[in-house]
Amino acid sequence: QSVLTQPPSVSGAPGQRVTISCTGSSSNIGAGYDVHWYQQLPGTAPKLLIYGNSNRPSGVPDRFSGSKSGTSASLAITGLQAEDEADYYCQSYDNSLSASVFGGGTKLTVL
Amino acid sequence: QLQLQESGPGLVKPSETLSLTCTVSGGSISSSSYYWGWIRQPPGKGLEWIGSIYYSGSTYYNPSLKSRVTISVDTSKNQFSLKLSSVTAADTAVYFCARHRFVLAAYGYNWFDPWGQGTLVTVSS
Repeated sequence: QSVLTQPPSVSGAPGQRVTISCTGSSSNIGAGYDVHWYQQLPGTAPKLLIYGNSNRPSGVPDRFSGSKSGTSASLAITGLQAEDEADYYCQSYDNSLSASVFGGGTKLTVL
Repeated sequence: QLQLQESGPGLVKPSETLSLTCTVSGGSISSSSYYWGWIRQPPGKGLEWIGSIYYSGSTYYNPSLKSRVTISVDTSKNQFSLKLSSVTAADTAVYFCARHRFVLAAYGYNWFDPWGQGTLVTVSS
């Protein structure tokens, strides 16, 4: 059971918008710790997609955006493309565990 | 461009010690403001942070693994290493190394980028 909770799967048709939620608690996201998002394409290493809740590293398309509110965060993907099919993970820090923690991951399927 | 590469045995026997090394190229492991971390992913499962080290040797470990983990750094070789003792089948995973932007006192500084390609370690007799 992950400290950060994500839906196991989401899906959408090409061109559509999808969102992936990441729910935490008062010891992590709710304590003020930022949320970061990673994209893991099949058979590859995770790649940083969003850092500091809503910042995109250089090279990440602006179709990807992040937000945070209270004890939750969300990743939104607009203009869905086949190449976006991947696993997505949120990550933060938990002060009761004194550890960096990941969500369980969400598999995005492009229909 | 900073690159990281994991290396080490792909097969370890139960109760023995898993040892991996991460070689950093395209940049210095002695860069200020960056830790260097290990993360693992059991087959078909999610990511788990193992621990991180600063070039000075300062370490942070996941409390769930702390009793079995040792992370060390060799700045002369631009490498850092992971040792996980008393392994069992539950330690079978792809092990990734990554640069860890981490400032404990700063609520926003705690992400991993870039990552190595990962190496599969299987625990089996």
